[in-house]
Amino acid sequence: NAGVMQNPRHLVRRRGQEARLRCSPMKGHSHVYWYRQLPEEGLKFMVYLQKENIIDESGMPKERFSAEFPKEGPSILRIQQVVRGDSAAYFCASSRVGTSVSYNEQFFGPGTRLTVL
Amino acid sequence: DQQVKQNSPSLSVQEGRISILNCDYTNSMFDYFLWYKKYPAEGPTFLISISSIKDKNEDGRFTVFLNKSAKHLSLHIVPSQPGDSAVYFCAAHRGGDKVIFGPGTSLSVIP
Repeated sequence: NAGVMQNPRHLVRRRGQEARLRCSPMKGHSHVYWYRQLPEEGLKFMVYLQKENIIDESGMPKERFSAEFPKEGPSILRIQQVVRGDSAAYFCASSRVGTSVSYNEQFFGPGTRLTVL
Repeated sequence: DQQVKQNSPSLSVQEGRISILNCDYTNSMFDYFLWYKKYPAEGPTFLISISSIKDKNEDGRFTVFLNKSAKHLSLHIVPSQPGDSAVYFCAAHRGGDKVIFGPGTSLSVIP
């Protein structure tokens, strides 16, 4: 029973390049969440998606960041024109039910560590 | 504005003793609280949760206590084991809204 998969585990980019982070949710899960963890900080919510829909992107920077969860394939978090401040661990989580119910247990992937040179 | 706070960045406890991790929150509308545990280079894993209608939930060595009037919850680990050494995140949400995480407390259990 595979858990949440994220790839790549480590990603190095130069300033101005694009970063693409992928997340495959657990089997049977149709809700995906992306979080960012900066050094010495906790997890910051970025975006919540269902298949083909963005439900809540209130934590996503307005520029350069985008996310999608297509009908087929993994969820993608894209960061365009990366800057040094984007260096962080990006975690994806999935759940069977969404935040419309009271209890929302999320299962996390191992994270992608992005380093911007 | 941090809605979920964990004021102790780190905690050291002797093996076999009790570990108490604390968490405070500011949003009285939260109705579910969760604790996640995270090892280095891994994603957080769910540990235990509590609904706002309860004041205690126990699962093996782990017990979470909720004091709604003080907007405070705590995680007790008894007895502490070296394998419990990890970062513990307190999290909260209101049904229909996103999960808010605290900054984490790093627990070291000394053999």
